[in-house]
Amino acid sequence: DIQMTQSPSSLSASVGDRVTITCRASQSIINYLHWYQQKPGKAPSLLIYDAFSLHSGVPSRFSGNGSGTDFTLTISSLQREDFATYYCQQSYSPHSWTFGQGTRVE
Amino acid sequence: QLQLQESGPGLVKASETLSLTCSVSGGSISSSSYYWGWIRQPPGKGLEWIGSIYYSGSTHYNPSLKSRVTISVDTSKKQFSLNLMSVTAADTAIYYCARNSSHFDPWGQGILVTVSS
Repeated sequence: DIQMTQSPSSLSASVGDRVTITCRASQSIINYLHWYQQKPGKAPSLLIYDAFSLHSGVPSRFSGNGSGTDFTLTISSLQREDFATYYCQQSYSPHSWTFGQGTRVE
Repeated sequence: QLQLQESGPGLVKASETLSLTCSVSGGSISSSSYYWGWIRQPPGKGLEWIGSIYYSGSTHYNPSLKSRVTISVDTSKKQFSLNLMSVTAADTAIYYCARNSSHFDPWGQGILVTVSS
């Protein structure tokens, strides 16, 4: 199984801050890496797919980068509505999808 | 736009079978481009993929749950279903359904299922 490890587990930030979350895979997953945002009491929603492609309707302050084993999600200027938990997910392993443990932005 | 909605009992007794259904609206469940998946989230914890099904009935399961999980599809009703056998308190979670290709989108709103002793 491919393990996904996010860091940090939580972080404290303020409106306007630049925030970066890291996701590391236990083996190379090329660019088969996706990011989700989950607000309290809500289902996760797709932010970025294939490492850097912004999902429709997602603000441009969100960006993704990386390849191989190391990936980042960056929020260029944190807005109030961005306080949430963020998850990465790999799809390199055929038909066996796994998520990171999550990073809470508070 | 495509919407998914989970339904089923919110309370299941330990050792029994958890059964949930996901209804798909606003699009086809028979698309050759997508699987249909189940993901769960224990209270206060992270996301765990349970399994996915293709419209033809081909399935893939998380190895850690494979012995207890069955996912089926009814294309005529535009529904797919999850059965999880022999549940314990560790199966208490919010259960989500979602359309999946390499990623999961969109998601249903989720349903909390509590396993009682």
